[in-house]
Amino acid sequence: QVQLVQSGAEAKKPGDSVKVSCKASGYTFSGHYMHWVRQAPGQGLEWMGWMNSKSGDTRYEPKFQGRVTMTRDTSITTAYMDLTRLISDDTAVYYCARLTGDRCFDHWGQGTLVTVSS
Amino acid sequence: SDVLTQPPSVSVAPGQTARITCGGNNIGSESVHWYQQKPGQAPVLVVYNNNDRPSGIPERFSGSNSWNAATLTISRVEAGDEADYYCQVWDSSSDHYVFGSGTKVTVL
Repeated sequence: QVQLVQSGAEAKKPGDSVKVSCKASGYTFSGHYMHWVRQAPGQGLEWMGWMNSKSGDTRYEPKFQGRVTMTRDTSITTAYMDLTRLISDDTAVYYCARLTGDRCFDHWGQGTLVTVSS
Repeated sequence: SDVLTQPPSVSVAPGQTARITCGGNNIGSESVHWYQQKPGQAPVLVVYNNNDRPSGIPERFSGSNSWNAATLTISRVEAGDEADYYCQVWDSSSDHYVFGSGTKVTVL
């Protein structure tokens, strides 16, 4: 069965960087784009960007451009999301999500809580 | 890019029907997907391509899409349907993805 398993919670200070991993299994990793979505406490879902798991090409929501980098290691079927220059407003649960051909997200990771506080 | 508007909350009695709308510019021409999110859990896809259901999703969940709004309908509402619901579309002009603002469904 398809599984996306993310790395554990992180506590960071303003100005730090965080790298969240998403280990995929149960399907052909390179056959699906991987997306990242975040959710601040008590808020809605916010799309951050996508990565072509085969080529490594990426596209980011303009709000995050310059601060976010999405990468992958195909040898271990793992996607990564790196966010730099963290501020308190980046405190959120970060999800990886698999995109289908219908352009919806059929499988999600369990989420990674990133807390940014001085 | 698209902005998708949902009512903040919908309340419904058990056994009744809940309808959640998702409004956006020319949304009738787009494929709309719907997610259910319970507290502390990741979202779950419940309807895709306006009115298709993934395997394992009860037939009580259905969708429609007209020119000015998409609608998620939950028939014969159960206590376990209490959750936040989000619509989502793909903006083909920018190749970006957009979520609605979310609707909290409360079962009375």
